[in-house]
Amino acid sequence: QKEVEQDPGPLSVPEGAIVSLNCTYSNSAFQYFMWYRQYSRKGPELLMYTYSSGNKEDGRFTAQVDKSSKYISLFIRDSQPSDSATYLCAMTRGGAQKLVFGQGTRLTINP
Amino acid sequence: SAVISQKPSRDICQRGTSLTIQCQVDSQVTMMFWYRQQPGQSLTLIATANQGSEATYESGFVIDKFPISRPNLTFSTLTVSNMSPEDSSIYLCSVLDRGLGAFFGQGTRLTVV
Repeated sequence: QKEVEQDPGPLSVPEGAIVSLNCTYSNSAFQYFMWYRQYSRKGPELLMYTYSSGNKEDGRFTAQVDKSSKYISLFIRDSQPSDSATYLCAMTRGGAQKLVFGQGTRLTINP
Repeated sequence: SAVISQKPSRDICQRGTSLTIQCQVDSQVTMMFWYRQQPGQSLTLIATANQGSEATYESGFVIDKFPISRPNLTFSTLTVSNMSPEDSSIYLCSVLDRGLGAFFGQGTRLTVV
């Protein structure tokens, strides 16, 4: 069993839709959670960084963490074609511990 | 947030040769990380580089194949040695910015022919 599971998709939705991306994890020691967006031929871009259960909002993006269920989500509101990319979840135990990544979900927003 | 510059951005290399990738950060950081991303795959950690000490390699990666230097707190290099087509990947360096998360360079796209 992988430490972090993420549905690889692909996921295709119409412009303006609400997108939900999800990851589950098995290691309860993970304390810090990140979501990255990666465009083709580019490095991962940090979108959200959270470390407590609950919601964190930044513009059209909301990160949700449920540590009791070992489940994290990223919601994208009013999705735009420019949001088309691969989204990766990542988590760490904290300090200088390494990141463990999900497989990434390829998202396409159709105009 | 930390700004990371990687060079080269891409290269095409002959099998059996070596390539050194450079990573420069705009602030001093204790630890730098090197990742590999194979085509269509997620990121896999190669090694963690501390300034002034030997890098720590993950299972499946060895120093002879991926030697790393970390001469100061803003710079690191990763060398991919004796390359084969299986080494064709994107190589990424990363730093942790405490309280802000982990940041990545734009990556080096390596093709071995």
